[in-house]
Amino acid sequence: DQQVKQNSPSLSVQEGRISILNCDYTNSMFDYFLWYKKYPAEGPTFLISISSIKDKNEDGRFTVFLNKSAKHLSLHIVPSQPGDSAVYFCAAEAGNNRKLIWGLGTSLAVNP
Amino acid sequence: NAGVTQTPKFQVLKTGQSMTLQCAQDMNHNSMYWYRQDPGMGLRLIYYSASEGTTDKGEVPNGYNVSRLNKREFSLRLESAAPSQTSVYFCASRRRGGTEAFFGQGTRLTVV
Repeated sequence: DQQVKQNSPSLSVQEGRISILNCDYTNSMFDYFLWYKKYPAEGPTFLISISSIKDKNEDGRFTVFLNKSAKHLSLHIVPSQPGDSAVYFCAAEAGNNRKLIWGLGTSLAVNP
Repeated sequence: NAGVTQTPKFQVLKTGQSMTLQCAQDMNHNSMYWYRQDPGMGLRLIYYSASEGTTDKGEVPNGYNVSRLNKREFSLRLESAAPSQTSVYFCASRRRGGTEAFFGQGTRLTVV
């Protein structure tokens, strides 16, 4: 049973436009959420995170929004660049157990 | 800074053979993790170690054992490899109270 769901396996956007990647979760105990980016043949790298006590966190071109009532979060990339083309993973954890639960990822292609 | 180092990067095993995947981090992190990534399955947690001297099962521990040798090193052992264990394996580490996990480059394992 997938506790963290990324329902779009892939997304294609034009350079300069906004990319919106979505993530839904089922476990109401999750209190911390992270986004990772992964290029082929490399390990995932951390992008941005958000605590459940917030509804928005921004870092440069990247913004994560959290809607706790809907158990939904989204990652916005504005403006999108070709170098953003990668697989994006949403991950969540509950309390102090330190276990990250991952979604299946969304492959983003930013076209020049 | 080397970060998280995994060895080997590639390995081919015959069914029934055993091997140990090595992972070391030089960031003085408390928590370490082993994941496997399969096509369409995202990242699945095999085992993790919240601190030196402790290990816990993740989502898919069957067929694997781990050893947290010291604070730096966390190894993953396959006692009798099976084709179903063909995957890319990632090691990660995280500091106490930290948000992001740092990943190694991965080990691509093929069991024939």
